[in-house]
Amino acid sequence: EIVMTQSPATLSLSPGERATLSCRASQSVSSNLAWYQQQPGQAPRLLIYGASTRATGIPARFSGSGSGTQFTLTISSLQSEDFAVYYCQQYNRWPSRTFGQGTKVEIK
Amino acid sequence: QVQLQESGPGLLKPLQTLSLTCTVSRGSINSGVHYWSWIRQHPGKGLEWIGYVFYSGSTYYSPSLKSRASISLDTSRNQFSLNLTSVTAADTAVYYCARDSHTSAMDVWGQGTPVTVSS
Repeated sequence: EIVMTQSPATLSLSPGERATLSCRASQSVSSNLAWYQQQPGQAPRLLIYGASTRATGIPARFSGSGSGTQFTLTISSLQSEDFAVYYCQQYNRWPSRTFGQGTKVEIK
Repeated sequence: QVQLQESGPGLLKPLQTLSLTCTVSRGSINSGVHYWSWIRQHPGKGLEWIGYVFYSGSTYYSPSLKSRASISLDTSRNQFSLNLTSVTAADTAVYYCARDSHTSAMDVWGQGTPVTVSS
């Protein structure tokens, strides 16, 4: 099974700052990597798929990069609604899929 | 815009079978493109993928739940379902259904339904 490891576990930042979240796969997942945002009490929302393609309606301040085993989600300027938990997920080793443990972005 | 809605009992006793249904609206479960997945989230924890069903009826499960999970389709009702046998307190979680694909991951999610297993 492919293990997804996210870092850091918690990121404390102020509104307007840049957030950089990392996700590492235990083996190559090519570009079959997605990022999700989850607000408290809500379902996850797809932000990025294919490592770098924004899902429908996702603001341009969210960007994804990477391939193989190392991936990054960048939020260029944090808005109040961006403070949430973010998960990466691989879907390369079809049909299996696995999630990272999550990174919480909190207000500093 | 496709919408998904989970339904099912919120409280179970140990060793009972959990049965949840996901109703797909404003879209067809027979698309031939999408897979239909179940995911759960233990209290205060991360996301755990349970398994999926394809429009053909083919299924795949997480190895950790394969022995107890079963996912099926009801195309006449545009629904898919999850059965999880012999539940314990460790199955207490919020259960989500989601639309899945090879190319665009899980792009539509239900709102989630909480399930508690307690004697």
